[in-house]
Amino acid sequence: GAGVSQTPSNKVTEKGKYVELRCDPISGHTALYWYRQSLGQGPEFLIYFQGTGAADDSGLPNDRFFAVRPEGSVSTLKIQRTERGDSAVYLCASSLTSGEADTQYFGPGTRLTVL
Amino acid sequence: KQEVTQIPAALSVPEGENLVLNCSFTDSAIYNLQWFRQDPGKGLTSLLLIQSSQREQTSGRLNASLDKSSGRSTLYIAASQPGDSATYLCAVSGYSSASKIIFGSGTRLSIRP
Repeated sequence: GAGVSQTPSNKVTEKGKYVELRCDPISGHTALYWYRQSLGQGPEFLIYFQGTGAADDSGLPNDRFFAVRPEGSVSTLKIQRTERGDSAVYLCASSLTSGEADTQYFGPGTRLTVL
Repeated sequence: KQEVTQIPAALSVPEGENLVLNCSFTDSAIYNLQWFRQDPGKGLTSLLLIQSSQREQTSGRLNASLDKSSGRSTLYIAASQPGDSATYLCAVSGYSSASKIIFGSGTRLSIRP
């Protein structure tokens, strides 16, 4: 079946603009995760959803970052007033549940470049 | 705060060699440890997951060990092949939030034909 998909694959924007990044999880997966990966670093946890609600948003760096999952499937990560430091690859993952032993399946990521 | 460190940051070896990648973590109160593979422009693929009560896991030519008390894990790759070239990431999840994975910076592995 289809894996986790993310759109767009690349996004170039100017400092100060608003961007939305989309994640389509594997069908039937109730848990969805967002990570950010800077060059040469491992992914950094941002937020995870169990169903429609954000179960843990402790990784969001500031209030410019917001994520939603209104119907418990597709999720959108929203970044307001983008800054050059926001440039990174944003990864999405999903798992069947949020259980500890559940494997997270990752999408290919969206590469965001803020000029 | 949990920190995960991977050494070396990059490694290049000739095809056929056995090799070991190292991972250390500062807080031994982990729920599990995973090794992931990341290819350029692609997402992560989970290779091996070791529960905190386990000492090792094996899959094909890969063997991962876990010493929770010392905060260390190793990934052993036997008879390396050019197709093994990728970045390997070590990651842990803690009891306080088992769904939140903390990653190391990875080891970029290159296997020379």
